[in-house]
Amino acid sequence: QVQLQESGPGLVKASQTLSLTCSVSGGSISSDTYYWSWIRQHPGKGLEWIGFIYYSGSTYYKASLKSRLTISLDTSKNQFSLNLSSVTAADTAVYFCARGVRRGYHFDYWGQGILVTV
Amino acid sequence: DIQMTQSPSTLSASVGDRVTITCRASRSISIWLAWYQQKPGKAPKLLIYKTSSLETGVPSRFSGSGSGTDFTLTISSLQPDDFATYYCQHYDTYSWTFGQGTKVEIK
Repeated sequence: QVQLQESGPGLVKASQTLSLTCSVSGGSISSDTYYWSWIRQHPGKGLEWIGFIYYSGSTYYKASLKSRLTISLDTSKNQFSLNLSSVTAADTAVYFCARGVRRGYHFDYWGQGILVTV
Repeated sequence: DIQMTQSPSTLSASVGDRVTITCRASRSISIWLAWYQQKPGKAPKLLIYKTSSLETGVPSRFSGSGSGTDFTLTISSLQPDDFATYYCQHYDTYSWTFGQGTKVEIK
């Protein structure tokens, strides 16, 4: 059974960098079948896709966050990470990591989410 | 960018009711439309992908349909476990967009 688990600080100071890691178990992050994505949800609001990384290291980011966002892959640890720089209160949200399916473009497994407060 | 608009935003229904949620795209889109269910404090759960394909393990009372700009999620007979918020999601050229959500409440 595939499981994803987010980890990182729950509180980040404004102007600093938000760093989160998603640990994947039950499946390889090196598979070419999946996109490894980050999605966030502002308190009481809807879902916002913010970016993904492919097994090759290729990344795609939401345009409005592109200048502040970096997603990276650590295949040796079967993890991928998010770094969001120069955060403000507007970045306060629950951050989910999720597995995107390449043939279908949907998200079939999600982490439980981590609340990050700026 | 394509905008996805769900309606209604809130829906009050009773157990046993047939429920339909609509997701409208700002322009004609492909079949890459998915539906998720989210309960408070939990991650979204995939229900439907590629417009009408039922995810493994999801009850058959959930179904999806649509084409062009209009897509629907139907729950044929609402069960107590179905009271939740539902989101549609579209994919287009390395970008994913979610609808704003529809909350299904107990009437």
